[in-house]
Amino acid sequence: AQSVTQLDSHVSVSEGTPVLLRCNYSSSYSPSLFWYVQHPNKGLQLLLKYTSAATLVKGINGFEAEFKKSETSFHLTKPSAHMSDAAEYFCVVRGDDKIIFGKGTRLHILP
Amino acid sequence: DAGITQSPRYKITETGRQVTLMCHQTWSHSYMFWYRQDLGHGLRLIYYSAAADITDKGEVPDGYVVSRSKTENFPLTLESATRSQTSVYFCASSEHGRHNEQFFGPGTRLTVL
Repeated sequence: AQSVTQLDSHVSVSEGTPVLLRCNYSSSYSPSLFWYVQHPNKGLQLLLKYTSAATLVKGINGFEAEFKKSETSFHLTKPSAHMSDAAEYFCVVRGDDKIIFGKGTRLHILP
Repeated sequence: DAGITQSPRYKITETGRQVTLMCHQTWSHSYMFWYRQDLGHGLRLIYYSAAADITDKGEVPDGYVVSRSKTENFPLTLESATRSQTSVYFCASSEHGRHNEQFFGPGTRLTVL
């Protein structure tokens, strides 16, 4: 069975510093993985997706994620945080017949 | 405008009343979904539809009814609202199926008093 674990429920970084949001997955076959972002009082927006092409995936707003099969990880990074990045981020893995959402990581940006 | 819209954005109702939440998409995606989002539970799938006139239950379908007479619309009805159905409801659509990327609407915040 497939599953996804977001290792941190809250992450705080200062504006201008790097962002790292951690995600581990479990899958019995080569997975499809996604990151979504949800700004306050908004719907979820697709940031990026991995579908077994390049292991480093670039998304919108300067975010990228690296698929590491040996570590079963798909961590989301950004070199320099901006105040507008404050939001909740969801790691998602493809299941047999559905997509499976992580519990979410709330990213706080300190001025 | 193209995309996926939900109405109303906010709704307050009373226990026992019937409420319908509307969802409309302009992409002609085959699949549509209804989720509820609650603190501590994350996103949970209520119902989904693979095409017009084809619907199926998700994880938490009790107390909800859906229909899909047209590809672009997927209303969700709470037949007799309960306080436990206070939540934020999201509609989503997907071109390629249940396990592929989904596109979400802005959500409806429902309060049941």
